[in-house]
Amino acid sequence: QKEVEQNSGPLSVPEGAIASLNCTYSDRGSQSFFWYRQYSGKSPELIMSIYSNGDKEDGRFTAQLNKASQYVSLLIRDSQPSDSATYLCAVGFSGGYNKLIFGAGTRLAVHP
Amino acid sequence: DVKVTQSSRYLVKRTGEKVFLECVQDMDHENMFWYRQDPGLGLRLIYFSYDVKMKEKGDIPEGYSVSREKKERFSLILESASTNQTSMYLCASSLSGREAGRDEQFFGPGTRLTVL
Repeated sequence: QKEVEQNSGPLSVPEGAIASLNCTYSDRGSQSFFWYRQYSGKSPELIMSIYSNGDKEDGRFTAQLNKASQYVSLLIRDSQPSDSATYLCAVGFSGGYNKLIFGAGTRLAVHP
Repeated sequence: DVKVTQSSRYLVKRTGEKVFLECVQDMDHENMFWYRQDPGLGLRLIYFSYDVKMKEKGDIPEGYSVSREKKERFSLILESASTNQTSMYLCASSLSGREAGRDEQFFGPGTRLTVL
């Protein structure tokens, strides 16, 4: 059973701080990695994709990937109350069909 | 922008009813997926389709069936709804292939189904 593990949180950070969200996965053959943001009662929204080891930056978001350690993270700089949501880590299933395996999510709370 | 739409945001049905959930995407995506999301259990894949008339079981297919007669439309069918199928149902779509970006999944707004 391929798994994706995330700390459920809540992760509480003050406004303006850096929020660090972490994810580990078990499928060594995975080649694609995603972060989704999900507000309460809404559907997941794709915010970052990463395919190569290292860092990928997009605005206030940075995704970090280390395939050797089977670890992917998301950093949110200058956190805002509007960033308060559940963040889902998803990993491409190496067995084909472009399936994704989702973690259960980390709830982030940014307080003023 | 990719747009995935679902036929209903909220739905209330009675035990034993046959329920149809519709999903439509407008980006010519080959792959379409149905998930359910429950508190504490995360997203669980019910069924997916990689082409018209093609379908594959996901992790929890029992009690569900699907139909994909046209590329843009993927339907989830609850043959005889039960209370344990009360959940948020999410449809997603993606391109197919191994190149970067082709397996990004885009979600519809979801259907919150209550079975009484």
